[in-house]
Amino acid sequence: EIVLTQSPATLSLSPGERATLSCRASQSVSSYLAWYQQKPGQAPRLLIYDTFARATGIPARFSGSGSGTDFTLSISSLEPEDFAVYYCQQRSGNWWTFGQGTKVEIK
Amino acid sequence: EVQLLESGGDLVQPGGSLRLSCAPSGFTFSDYAMSWVRQAPGKGLEWVSTVDNSGRHTYYSDSVKGRFILSRDNSRNTLYLQMNGLRADDTALYYCANQRPGSSNFDSWGQGTLVTVSS
Repeated sequence: EIVLTQSPATLSLSPGERATLSCRASQSVSSYLAWYQQKPGQAPRLLIYDTFARATGIPARFSGSGSGTDFTLSISSLEPEDFAVYYCQQRSGNWWTFGQGTKVEIK
Repeated sequence: EVQLLESGGDLVQPGGSLRLSCAPSGFTFSDYAMSWVRQAPGKGLEWVSTVDNSGRHTYYSDSVKGRFILSRDNSRNTLYLQMNGLRADDTALYYCANQRPGSSNFDSWGQGTLVTVSS
């Protein structure tokens, strides 16, 4: 089983700042890495899939990068609605796993 | 617009059974793999089970294998999760999610249905 470790657990930033979230896999996950955003009381929403591709309707300030075992979600300039919890997710064969999440909070 | 409507969540005693349903709309159900993902109170996301678009192949996490059965009825546009031998650590909000053909991620999610296992 591939384990995804996200860091930091909490990121305290101000609106307008850049956010950089990390997701590290215990072994290579090829390019099947996705990112989700979850706000309190809401279902998760797909942001990024296949490492780089933005899902439909996702603003350009969200971008994904990485390969092998190290992946990053970047938010170029935080908007008030971006403060939320973010999860990475991978598929290996017929097994799907999520990271434990990074909370982006207002500083 | 894609919508996924879960139902069937309830309070159940340890060892009991429950069947969850998911009614999708806004996409061609028979083209998509479907999954359940759960979230325990205050915790992160956990993949539970996935079924391919035909219903012939199902996959389960170790935590539910042998206790849960995932199925689908493409003629009725409905996804089912039969949950047996429920335990306290199965308490969670259960989300139904779809997966585009060939994708490895969960594209659209329902709002979830709450399962509480307690005596």
